[in-house]
Amino acid sequence: DVKVTQSSRYLVKRTGEKVFLECVQDMDHENMFWYRQDPGLGLRLIYFSYDVKMKEKGDIPEGYSVSREKKERFSLILESASTNQTSMYLCASSSPGQPGAREQYFGPGTRLTVT
Amino acid sequence: AQSVTQPDIHITVSEGASLELRCNYSYGATPYLFWYVQSPGQGLQLLLKYFSGDTLVQGIKGFEAEFKRSQSSFNLRKPSVHWSDAAEYFCAVGPTSGTYKYIFGTGTRLKVLA
Repeated sequence: DVKVTQSSRYLVKRTGEKVFLECVQDMDHENMFWYRQDPGLGLRLIYFSYDVKMKEKGDIPEGYSVSREKKERFSLILESASTNQTSMYLCASSSPGQPGAREQYFGPGTRLTVT
Repeated sequence: AQSVTQPDIHITVSEGASLELRCNYSYGATPYLFWYVQSPGQGLQLLLKYFSGDTLVQGIKGFEAEFKRSQSSFNLRKPSVHWSDAAEYFCAVGPTSGTYKYIFGTGTRLKVLA
């Protein structure tokens, strides 16, 4: 079974802190994604990575950055956390090829609260 | 613009009743279509997917979905709902070429009455 793990299930941070969310997948997937999930808005793509050190901005990249130094690990960074970044963050991965045709495997999510 | 619409935010059904969750999409070509389920406190899990061929697809947990090109719909169905089906359900479109962005609907939260 594909497993996608996220470093924390719940996280509470203060405004202005630098926050790291870690995601690890064990299926040697090329594609990895970071989404933000908010009630009534569904999932919105923050960043996508199709290979080590490669990344593409999604729909809402502002205030976020990412790092992919190893194939299995994709990190989301909030450089200076703000209260409007309080949300559920979901990491996903998929196998190579046309991303649209691939099932995404999701981690359990990190619920981040910024106070 | 490409979009996915799930018109029902909440649905409540009694255990044992049938279920249909609606999904409409707006896309230039025939897209790849997915239904995912999210149980409380969990990530999303794939229920089923449609790429081509038979328009009625079977998934896990007794779910099925029918692709109707003429109606731009991909509705999810289950003949008899179990209490464990209470969850949030997301319809998604995967792009067929040129980009990597999935488009997710806003979700339908299912409540099951005992």
